[in-house]
Amino acid sequence: DSGVTQTPKHLITATGQRVTLRCSPRSGDLSVYWYQQSLDQGLQFLIQYYNGEERAKGNILERFSAQQFPDLHSELNLSSLELGDSALYFCASSYDGTGPMDEQFFGPGTRLTVL
Amino acid sequence: ELKVEQNPLFLSMQEGKNYTIYCNYSTTSDRLYWYRQDPGKSLESLFVLLSNGAVKQEGRLMASLDTKARLSTLHITAAVHDLSATYFCAVDRLGGGADGLTFGKGTHLIIQP
Repeated sequence: DSGVTQTPKHLITATGQRVTLRCSPRSGDLSVYWYQQSLDQGLQFLIQYYNGEERAKGNILERFSAQQFPDLHSELNLSSLELGDSALYFCASSYDGTGPMDEQFFGPGTRLTVL
Repeated sequence: ELKVEQNPLFLSMQEGKNYTIYCNYSTTSDRLYWYRQDPGKSLESLFVLLSNGAVKQEGRLMASLDTKARLSTLHITAAVHDLSATYFCAVDRLGGGADGLTFGKGTHLIIQP
């Protein structure tokens, strides 16, 4: 158990809908990262937040957005869902990402199925 | 654009054998990670390699980093069935740690009795 929690574990929804995925980082970690894992795209970095502020952006679609709240939990919002958005979404956390031994610890993931 | 290439992508081997997984990356970085993923599960951190020449070992797994060659290796010694999993290497895009990771496609390892 990495200490990173994600809810829900599974989500089934229809095309065109909007969903919210939630992540709580490990105690003491300030950075949260979101990743998408799919068979065709592999593991892709979406976005990073550090202490409430967006720090880095990866291959995140405009239909997707995220935020990090004052208690450091984060939410990933996916809207106008398409079949191709079906994937495993991981959240990871680290203290701040820059320390010599800082590393990202991954949560259990949310499996999203869009029908 | 940073690229991370692993090979092989699929490896079937027998218990007791040795093998090496290779990870090449396309840009300067002094920080490389190895993760393990079991089917349908999360990613488990195996190694963080921070400098040229770094070598780390945990049980039957040993990882090394050559930043000049932009190459990392994950060596498996005397493989056992429990090591069957998918192994990913990853590099952070900016090299300094404060960024998301770029992953290789993963090496799907099956170890047969």
